[in-house]
Amino acid sequence: GAVVSQHPSWVICKSGTSVKIECRSLDFQATTMFWYRQFPKQSLMLMATSNEGSKATYEQGVEKDKFLINHASLTLSTLTVTSAHPEDSSFYICSASPLGRGIYEQYFGPGTRLTVT
Amino acid sequence: AQTVTQSQPEMSVQEAETVTLSCTYDTSESDYYLFWYKQPPSRQMILVIRQEAYKQQNATENRFSVNFQKAAKSFSLKISDSQLGDAAMYFCAYRSAGEGSGSRLTFGEGTQLTVNP
Repeated sequence: GAVVSQHPSWVICKSGTSVKIECRSLDFQATTMFWYRQFPKQSLMLMATSNEGSKATYEQGVEKDKFLINHASLTLSTLTVTSAHPEDSSFYICSASPLGRGIYEQYFGPGTRLTVT
Repeated sequence: AQTVTQSQPEMSVQEAETVTLSCTYDTSESDYYLFWYKQPPSRQMILVIRQEAYKQQNATENRFSVNFQKAAKSFSLKISDSQLGDAAMYFCAYRSAGEGSGSRLTFGEGTQLTVNP
């Protein structure tokens, strides 16, 4: 149990276009989902926290108009990179926290590699 | 704000030997959780072990064990009988216990573990 999927696993897009990444909890409901960005050989950097039905909370320095997050249901959150540029190329990882108090784990998706040309 | 520090960017160990990865953290909270995650080349984050701060007993999962020193704010990971499959980036992470499913993970910088045959 506790599987999180991401789609696509790998995407190439042209500079100036937008790309959407989906994060789904397959066998549990998640009130909260997290989006991370990871550069090679570096740690995970939290970009934003999304809660179902409400606006995402962005970390300082993360452009909310560039990285649009929608948490439409208890099993789906999406990250849209708008007007992508080569510097947005990175590995994006989502995680989800199961619904209910006392559950302290986050379950991670397999990540999405974004390359902007 | 909480911080997590891993002072060993790289470590190596011979197959079948034991290795210890270090982690220290800073917090003013008394109730929290600590985790070790493994990220192999596939980049899928895998939970290795977790420790609740209120528990004095050190957590153990098969070949993996921790040395949790709450007063010293230290949380090291010991890997016994190292296997080639243990080669990965290891991240130490902190999570507050007070915010339920909305509580973020704070990661250390990571330690790249190499296992030599």
